[in-house]
Amino acid sequence: DGGITQSPKYLFRKEGQNVTLSCEQNLNHDAMYWYRQDPGQGLRLIYYSQIVNDFQKGDIAEGYSVSREKKESFPLTVTSAQKNPTAFYLCASSPRPSSGNTIYFGEGSWLTVV
Amino acid sequence: ILNVEQSPQSLHVQEGDSTNFTCSFPSSNFYALHWYRWETAKSPEALFVMTLNGDEKKKGRISATLNTKEGYSYLYIKGSQPEDSATYLCAFSTGGGADGLTFGKGTHLIIQP
Repeated sequence: DGGITQSPKYLFRKEGQNVTLSCEQNLNHDAMYWYRQDPGQGLRLIYYSQIVNDFQKGDIAEGYSVSREKKESFPLTVTSAQKNPTAFYLCASSPRPSSGNTIYFGEGSWLTVV
Repeated sequence: ILNVEQSPQSLHVQEGDSTNFTCSFPSSNFYALHWYRWETAKSPEALFVMTLNGDEKKKGRISATLNTKEGYSYLYIKGSQPEDSATYLCAFSTGGGADGLTFGKGTHLIIQP
């Protein structure tokens, strides 16, 4: 089936450790995104990529890093520099680099840092 | 950072009743307004993407209107069913580039049988 796969669904990590969340899409979409959700808040954009080997910071990029070496993959690393990493993370993609296009989402990853 | 407001925050509706809720966004530099439905334990699902002032879109019992001059959009659900229970998100963009969307906090809709 076509879609966006995020893994793992649940992840626990100790404070100070880096952790990488996987996002893979087989929709042949050019653009990919990472959002974060915290209780009582809307989704906030962490990073986005319009094309392979290119990515841009979103509104809350500090403490995160990404790569886009392949069209279908956009992994997110939560580094130890991220002050409040415990959150729900959503990956998304869209066919072309235009915010007038529908964005398709994965099912999300829960990260808990203890 | 742009401000997108959704109201009400949560809503209980009796099965069979119709309902509506609001998304407010900055009226300047408008490019597109998105509505998504997010059911528990699933991915957010796109309902509508609206770009033109006065636009109305419909999908089954759900419809949406757009007023870009005053900066609001309404989502209507006619004859609510239990499967309509979800969080409804609106998201706003100012430009045509793929720089992501600014989301509201959502309206959490519960349909009571």
